[in-house]
This record gives sequence, C-alpha cells and structure tokens, in this order.
Amino acid sequence: DGGITQSPKYLFRKEGQNVTLSCEQNLNHDAMYWYRQDPGQGLRLIYYSQIVNDFQKGDIAEGYSVSREKKESFPLTVTSAQKNPTAFYLCASSTPPSRNHQPQHFGDGTRLSIL
Amino acid sequence: QKEVEQDPGPLSVPEGAIVSLNCTYSNSAFQYFMWYRQYSRKGPELLMYTYSSGNKEDGRFTAQVDKSSKYISLFIRDSQPSDSATYLCAMGDSSASKIIFGSGTRLSIRP
Repeated sequence: DGGITQSPKYLFRKEGQNVTLSCEQNLNHDAMYWYRQDPGQGLRLIYYSQIVNDFQKGDIAEGYSVSREKKESFPLTVTSAQKNPTAFYLCASSTPPSRNHQPQHFGDGTRLSIL
Repeated sequence: QKEVEQDPGPLSVPEGAIVSLNCTYSNSAFQYFMWYRQYSRKGPELLMYTYSSGNKEDGRFTAQVDKSSKYISLFIRDSQPSDSATYLCAMGDSSASKIIFGSGTRLSIRP
C-alpha cells in the first residue's frame, strides 16, 4: 500500500539534545513537507522540498533542519536551539504545486516531548 | 487577522443529524480548497478537494465553496459516531507552494 511512514510515533528529548524524525513515502511524490501542530492551532509549515537536494524554509524554520538526499525521504532534525519543541510533527507529500496541483497527503505524526 | 478562520468548537450533535462546518478566508487568491479529517493521535486524512466555486458531493459529505463571500463549508449528512474527529479546512493559491490550514473544529456525534 502506498503511503507516508513517520517514525518514531513518540520521541523524548533531553535538554541540549538534537533529535531526528523520520519521514518516508512510497507515493512517488516529488514534494514533501514538515508541519508542526500545537493544541488549538492550525498546522504551521516548518520546511518544504519540491525536489531532491533542494528545500525551503517555511514559517517557523528556526531551530530545525532538514535534508533531502533521496526522493522517498525527508528527515527533520529538531536542534537544541528549538526552545519549545514539544508538539505533534506531521510530514506530508504531494506532486509539486507547479505541476497539476494535487492535495497533500499526511503521515500519522510523531509526538515529541521534553524529558 | 488570520488568513483562515475556523470555529474551534467543540460541536456536539446527535447521531443522524446534519452537520455544517465552516471556514472564512481573507485572501482572494485562494483557488484550491480542502477538508481534512483528523482522529486523535493520527495524521489528517483528505476528505474533499475542490478547485472552483459550487458544490462537490462524495457520499455523505458535501463541500461548498463561495468565492464571492470567501466562505467554504463541509456538510455531513446522517452523521455517525465514527465521524467524531477534528475537521481542518485548508486552502492554497494558484502557485500552491504553501497551503494555509484552519485551526480545526472538534466534532462529537452523540449515539
């Protein structure tokens, strides 16, 4: 079955630690996205990538980093510079907006908490 | 003012009722409109996707877009307890490089 797999489902971070969230898709989508969801707020865009080896900052990129070395994978690193990392992180993918726009499809998220 | 406004609820209705969920927006450039359903501790699941003004129906769900009023709606007929979830509206412009999401409406269907 085609889809988006995020791992781990739950993650705990210690002070000063960097953690990496995994996102893998087998939908053959070129574009991938990372969002952060906080209670009572809409999804906020952290980073997005429309093609391999290229990515752009979203609205709240500070304290986060990404890489896009493979089409299928778009890992997100939450660095120690992110002072309020506790949230639900969602990865999404789609065909690139520039080519016959299609809606984004989401994984089931990673819940990150501070120890 | 937020680009997309959505009443957070919670909204509680009896089973079998018709549910109306709504979003308003301020950016007239928005052309793509989506509704997602999100169960607790899960990712959003695409329910409806529309490009133009008017109605789109899929089973018990109808999406309505009124671009002149900058207002979109999702109607759920014959609501079921399994429809209890948070519903997110989302929209994008023609470049669609960025999608703006509403904050979500929490819906509860009482058996």
